[in-house]
Amino acid sequence: GAVVSQHPSRVICKSGTSVKIECRSLDFQATTMFWYRQFPKQSLMLMATSNEGSKATYEQGVEKDKFLINHASLTLSTLTVTSAHPEDSSFYICSARDPHTGNQPQHFGDGTRLSIL
Amino acid sequence: AQTVTQSQPEMSVQEAETVTLSCTYDTSESDYYLFWYKQPPSRQMILVIRQEAYKQQNATENRFSVNFQKAAKSFSLKISDSQLGDAAMYFCAYNFGNEKLTFGTGTRLTIIP
Repeated sequence: GAVVSQHPSRVICKSGTSVKIECRSLDFQATTMFWYRQFPKQSLMLMATSNEGSKATYEQGVEKDKFLINHASLTLSTLTVTSAHPEDSSFYICSARDPHTGNQPQHFGDGTRLSIL
Repeated sequence: AQTVTQSQPEMSVQEAETVTLSCTYDTSESDYYLFWYKQPPSRQMILVIRQEAYKQQNATENRFSVNFQKAAKSFSLKISDSQLGDAAMYFCAYNFGNEKLTFGTGTRLTIIP
């Protein structure tokens, strides 16, 4: 089945560091990918929709300058948390749609646990 | 806007017994998708089962089945013969067309040995 690879799985870094998270569709081309944030014991919150070759669409309340999204190819989207601070610590997870299966269901990466010291 | 409601924050079931997780949603659309995702402690999002709204027949995947009541906008998940590995957070989700996936708040399922 369709596979989405997310890297890294765990990041621990100092405050002020910028962190890049990659999301790759391994066996299909994804024109649309999604980035979610999940706080402990809560549901997934959509941060933005990443569109290949165009600007990402951010959800209300998500700072686009803080969370930079680039979708430069049909198999790769990246989320960069710029100048990360402890409040950015969270679990980030991406998903992608496979157009060959009618865009359903979304396929999720394994997530990235980000810890800012 | 579409909403998905899971009214049971926590559920528990004895191993080998059957448990039902509830989910209701609100939409004005007629053709959409509904999903149940499982999130174990590893935090992977695992698709358990999906239902296309235009199909009247309830979806089934081995021990997992749904009771889809379109008029009532209800989409419950039944887990039969519960196993220890079924312990996880379960999220109900709704999707219409190319719009975003809308998740419920989740139900934490505990399996009692």
